Amino acid sequence: DQQVKQNSPSLSVQEGRISILNCDYTNSMFDYFLWYKKYPAEGPTFLISISSIKDKNEDGRFTVFLNKSAKHLSLHIVPSQPGDSAVYFCAARGQGAQKLVFGQGTRLTINP
Amino acid sequence: NAGVTQTPKFQVLKTGQSMTLQCAQDMNHNSMYWYRQDPGMGLRLIYYSASEGTTDKGEVPNGYNVSRLNKREFSLRLESAAPSQTSVYFCASSEMRGINQPQHFGDGTRLSIL
Repeated sequence: DQQVKQNSPSLSVQEGRISILNCDYTNSMFDYFLWYKKYPAEGPTFLISISSIKDKNEDGRFTVFLNKSAKHLSLHIVPSQPGDSAVYFCAARGQGAQKLVFGQGTRLTINP
Repeated sequence: NAGVTQTPKFQVLKTGQSMTLQCAQDMNHNSMYWYRQDPGMGLRLIYYSASEGTTDKGEVPNGYNVSRLNKREFSLRLESAAPSQTSVYFCASSEMRGINQPQHFGDGTRLSIL
């Protein structure tokens, strides 16, 4: 039972345009959501997070949107840069829980 | 500023051999975690330790054991390696439960079981 799903295995975007990565979840008890970025041969690096009491969180070029009614979150990267090419994982945690549940990842490629 | 350090970075084992993966963090975090990453499956939690002296099973604990040696170190042991345990293993650490703090990851151990 995949509680966190990233339905797009890959995404290709032109440099300077907006990249939108999507993530769906099934567990309504999740209250904290994160996005991680991963380069080859490195560990995941924390990018941005959002609590369920908010619907938007912004950090520079990165914005995460949360739609609780649809159980959907998205990561917007504007403008996209070549260094953004990586695998992006969304993750979720239940209230008071210790464990994170990860999606399968989306490989983002930024084309010059 | 090392963060989370994993050793070794690469290892090849034969079926039935045993091995311990080491992890240490220097961020004074209470909680530590072991994940495996397989193609198309994201990261799956093997075991975690909410605080020194405690360990709990995650999603895929079978075939593994862990030891929280002290606050800094959390090791993962494969007693009798199987080809299905070929994977990339990541260790992570975070602040204590109840605080919305992210987990910080090491660079992984790439393990092949022949």
